[in-house]
Amino acid sequence: QSALTQPRSVSGSPGQSVTISCTGTSSDVGGYNYVSWYQQHPGRAPKVMIYDVSKRPSGVPGRFSGSKSGNTASLTISGLQAEDEADYYCCSYVGSYIFVFGTGTKVTVL
Amino acid sequence: QVQLVESGGGVVQPGTSLRLSCAASGFTFTSFSMHWVRQAPGKGLEWVAVVSDGVTSKYYTDSVKGRFTISRDDSKNTVYLQMSSLTPEDTAVYFCATGGLYHYDYWGQGTLVTVSS
Repeated sequence: QSALTQPRSVSGSPGQSVTISCTGTSSDVGGYNYVSWYQQHPGRAPKVMIYDVSKRPSGVPGRFSGSKSGNTASLTISGLQAEDEADYYCCSYVGSYIFVFGTGTKVTVL
Repeated sequence: QVQLVESGGGVVQPGTSLRLSCAASGFTFTSFSMHWVRQAPGKGLEWVAVVSDGVTSKYYTDSVKGRFTISRDDSKNTVYLQMSSLTPEDTAVYFCATGGLYHYDYWGQGTLVTVSS
């Protein structure tokens, strides 16, 4: 399984919206509605922000949302805040208990 | 609350072996598949291996097949990763993770494995 493709970096000013894309194939992103997104601050473990494409765990702010179209999933952060500066990884289930992660995107708050 | 605590990392020479452990608490361990995910320094996350609940299935990423073995001891609420024939490319922080049916709700803090001569 090849890693899913994400932009290396995105940036925005506080209050703006940013969207991170995650492109795979019909064998991963396009084949399952099981895309999740993880936020990782330096030196910390990842934290799930979105699962099953668009579901938000309790405690995750409403400014985080997810969607999918074909082989590409997206994470949108609306109303960017300073604490959102982190690395973000998408992840897709590919069957048989196996997952594949995206290449990761660094979000910078200007 | 749910806790996953990895241990066993360290500095080892190429070609040697190492066993990582992940002790779980705060949830019904036997009901969940357990995964190992690694992250090389400055790089992204990479799924490594999984052992299903009931130990009926084990799967590995291609780069570790034949070298790594995942196992679990449900009596100790612990999952293991036996790593052999280590190479510098295996240098990474190794996380254990579990939780959701098709995602990871819970992660450990990670344990660093450095393969260097």
